[in-house]
Amino acid sequence: DVKVTQSSRYLVKRTGEKVFLECVQDMDHENMFWYRQDPGLGLRLIYFSYDVKMKEKGDIPEGYSVSREKKERFSLILESASTNQTSMYLCASSFLDRAGQPQHFGDGTRLSIL
Amino acid sequence: DAKTTQPPSMDCAEGRAANLPCNHSTISGNEYVYWYRQIHSQGPQYIIHGLKNNETNEMASLIITEDRKSSTLILPHATLRDTAVYYCIVLEYNNNDMRFGAGTRLTVKP
Repeated sequence: DVKVTQSSRYLVKRTGEKVFLECVQDMDHENMFWYRQDPGLGLRLIYFSYDVKMKEKGDIPEGYSVSREKKERFSLILESASTNQTSMYLCASSFLDRAGQPQHFGDGTRLSIL
Repeated sequence: DAKTTQPPSMDCAEGRAANLPCNHSTISGNEYVYWYRQIHSQGPQYIIHGLKNNETNEMASLIITEDRKSSTLILPHATLRDTAVYYCIVLEYNNNDMRFGAGTRLTVKP
């Protein structure tokens, strides 16, 4: 079974802090993704990566950065956390260039910024 | 710009089959149909996907109409643990931006 592991289920941080969310997958997937999920807004893509050290902006990259130093690990960084970044953050991974193969998600990190 | 339409909620009796419909009338030839579900406070769980043919795995069956404009997810023997929000998504295989709509909230009742 595919396993996508996010480092924390719940996290509380303060405004202005630098926040790191970690994600690890064990299926040798090339693609990794960071989404946020908010009530009424569905899932929104923040960043994705298709290879080590590669990254692409999604729909809402402002206020975020990412790091992919190893194939299995993809980090999301909130440079200076703000209250509007309170959300559920979801990491996903998938194969590159295998027709139809789905994304697999982690259990999410519920982040609260006070 | 919603690509899929699902009923907002459905009920099903425990042990019976749950049939969840999805309309995707504007689907293009290279778009797959994916189904996920999300149990409260957990990440989305992949269930099944298909392109043209019906598919079955250990979790569910996916029936896609011949014109591909609609599909049905079938949970053959629903249990209380199948209570969740179910999402139907259409996506090209090389399109990485997975977008969930409102989905169908399935409640399995004893």
